[in-house]
Amino acid sequence: AQSVAQPEDQVNVAEGNPLTVKCTYSVSGNPYLFWYVQYPNRGLQFLLKYITGDNLVKGSYGFEAEFNKSQTSFHLKKPSALVSDSALYFCAVRVLKFGANNLFFGTGTRLTVIP
Amino acid sequence: DGGITQSPKYLFRKEGQNVTLSCEQNLNHDAMYWYRQDPGQGLRLIYYSQIVNDFQKGDIAEGYSVSREKKESFPLTVTSAQKNPTAFYLCASSPTSTNEKLFFGSGTQLSVL
Repeated sequence: AQSVAQPEDQVNVAEGNPLTVKCTYSVSGNPYLFWYVQYPNRGLQFLLKYITGDNLVKGSYGFEAEFNKSQTSFHLKKPSALVSDSALYFCAVRVLKFGANNLFFGTGTRLTVIP
Repeated sequence: DGGITQSPKYLFRKEGQNVTLSCEQNLNHDAMYWYRQDPGQGLRLIYYSQIVNDFQKGDIAEGYSVSREKKESFPLTVTSAQKNPTAFYLCASSPTSTNEKLFFGSGTQLSVL
């Protein structure tokens, strides 16, 4: 079965420090992987996606993610965290289900950037 | 101003009552989706629609119903059969059903009185 796991419910990082939000996946075939961010009381916003090509994917707001096939991981990273990055982050994988492509979301990781 | 509009922002349901959550998009997207968000459980797919006049059940469709009579509208009805309806409901759309970049509304928080 295809799935995605976010092993950390909460990540705290000091402002200006690098941040990493972890994601591992389990899929058959080539994975299509995504990161979304949710600010309080809002919907999700697309950050970036990996389909093929360069393992390092750059996205919105200075975020990037590294696809690692051998470790089946797709960790989200940013070199220098901002307080405004504090939000809930979701990793997702495309699954072929119910006759169409749909996204299967992880349980989310709450990132808190401490001033 | 393009986007997805969900209303109301907060909704309260009495026992045995059906309630309908509105979702409207002016992005001319073919595909629309309803997700339920519970703390610590991520998002779970309730229903989705690939095109007007068509919709399919997702992972947790029991106790919910939808319609897609117009391209821009995808209302979700939470019926009395849904015994645990308290959750944050998110509507999303994408240009086509094969495009995974979803655009989300701001959500509706449903609570039971």
